[in-house]
Amino acid sequence: KQEVTQIPAALSVPEGENLVLNCSFTDSAIYNLQWFRQDPGKGLTSLLLIQSSQREQTSGRLNASLDKSSGRSTLYIAASQPGDSATYLCAALGDSNYQLIWGAGTKLIIKP
Amino acid sequence: KAGVTQTPRYLIKTRGQQVTLSCSPISGHRSVSWYQQTPGQGLQFLFEYFSETQRNKGNFPGRFSGRQFSNSRSEMNVSTLELGDSALYLCASSGAGGGQETQYFGPGTRLLVL
Repeated sequence: KQEVTQIPAALSVPEGENLVLNCSFTDSAIYNLQWFRQDPGKGLTSLLLIQSSQREQTSGRLNASLDKSSGRSTLYIAASQPGDSATYLCAALGDSNYQLIWGAGTKLIIKP
Repeated sequence: KAGVTQTPRYLIKTRGQQVTLSCSPISGHRSVSWYQQTPGQGLQFLFEYFSETQRNKGNFPGRFSGRQFSNSRSEMNVSTLELGDSALYLCASSGAGGGQETQYFGPGTRLLVL
């Protein structure tokens, strides 16, 4: 049974720092790995989707990597800004049941 | 393009009642997925509909059901509400592939069961 874990649960850093959020999964039989951000009262926004055959994806200041063999994904945020404050969730899509299994999220606070 | 809309945004019900939530996907999207989010269990997949057919189902009791209409709008119904059904219910739409491609989420319906 797939389990997705995100560490740390919360993170507070000063503006301008580069930071890494971690996501680990127990079953490497995934179709893709997805990163989302959740802002209060605004649902979820998809950030990056990495197919199982890919190693990384980039969008602006965000870079997500995927290492299926070790069951890890990281989300790198460069030059953090207060607007990056949100909860970041990762989710793994099983390659047989096509159901997204979610991590509990990392609550990120960027201090001005 | 208008985003995913969900109605109502907030709902208060009592135990034993039933509730229907609505989701209108992005125009042209044929897949609608539903998720439940609670502080204790986090986000959990409920089910996915594609072209009016349930294509995938999570591990929830039969009290949770849904349907999709020919215009891709979807409804989710919960019967015989329990206190534990209090949650944020999110729907997401995508063009064709559920979780296989980028999903676009609505703001959610927050359900409180008293």
